[in-house]
Amino acid sequence: GAVVSQHPSWVICKSGTSVKIECRSLDFQATTMFWYRQFPKQSLMLMATSNEGSKATYEQGVEKDKFLINHASLTLSTLTVTSAHPEDSSFYICSAPQEDTQYFGPGTRLTVL
Amino acid sequence: AQSVTQLDSQVPVFEEAPVELRCNYSSSVSVYLFWYVQYPNQGLQLLLKYLSGSTLVKGINGFEAEFNKSQTSFHLRKPSVHISDTAEYFCAVSRGGKLTFGQGTILTVHP
Repeated sequence: GAVVSQHPSWVICKSGTSVKIECRSLDFQATTMFWYRQFPKQSLMLMATSNEGSKATYEQGVEKDKFLINHASLTLSTLTVTSAHPEDSSFYICSAPQEDTQYFGPGTRLTVL
Repeated sequence: AQSVTQLDSQVPVFEEAPVELRCNYSSSVSVYLFWYVQYPNQGLQLLLKYLSGSTLVKGINGFEAEFNKSQTSFHLRKPSVHISDTAEYFCAVSRGGKLTFGQGTILTVHP
């Protein structure tokens, strides 16, 4: 159990376009999910907490208008990178908690040209 | 606020040798502690966790870790490593569901 999926696994887009990434908990429900960003050879940095039925909460320094989060159901959260630029290229990973443990999706590699 | 320090950015070892990956944390309150492993271009897989109880925690793939409150450490150990253990390992603390990660330790197992 406790499987989290992400889609797509990788995406390449042009600068200025928007990209949507989906995170799903496959065998459990999650009222909260978390979005992380990982730059090459660096650790994971928490971007925001996705809350089902209410607004997401963002970590300091993360632009909420650029990284739109929607927690549409108890098993789905989406992250939309709006007007993407090359500096947004990164590995985006979501997690969902079950009891006291976070389970991670496989990640989405975003490359902005 | 909590923080996590992984003392070694890279650890090279030979196959079948023992290994210890070090992790220290700081927090003003009780936290939960985790070790995750990340293979290239993949998400994180849970190795083991300490929530409460016995300070020696056993995880998957033969790994174990010991919680030491006085030294605020949670070092990861394996008595005999395999080539397939080559990966990056992250120590993390959790409070309120939010994880704070260490910088990661790249374990490279050589034949």
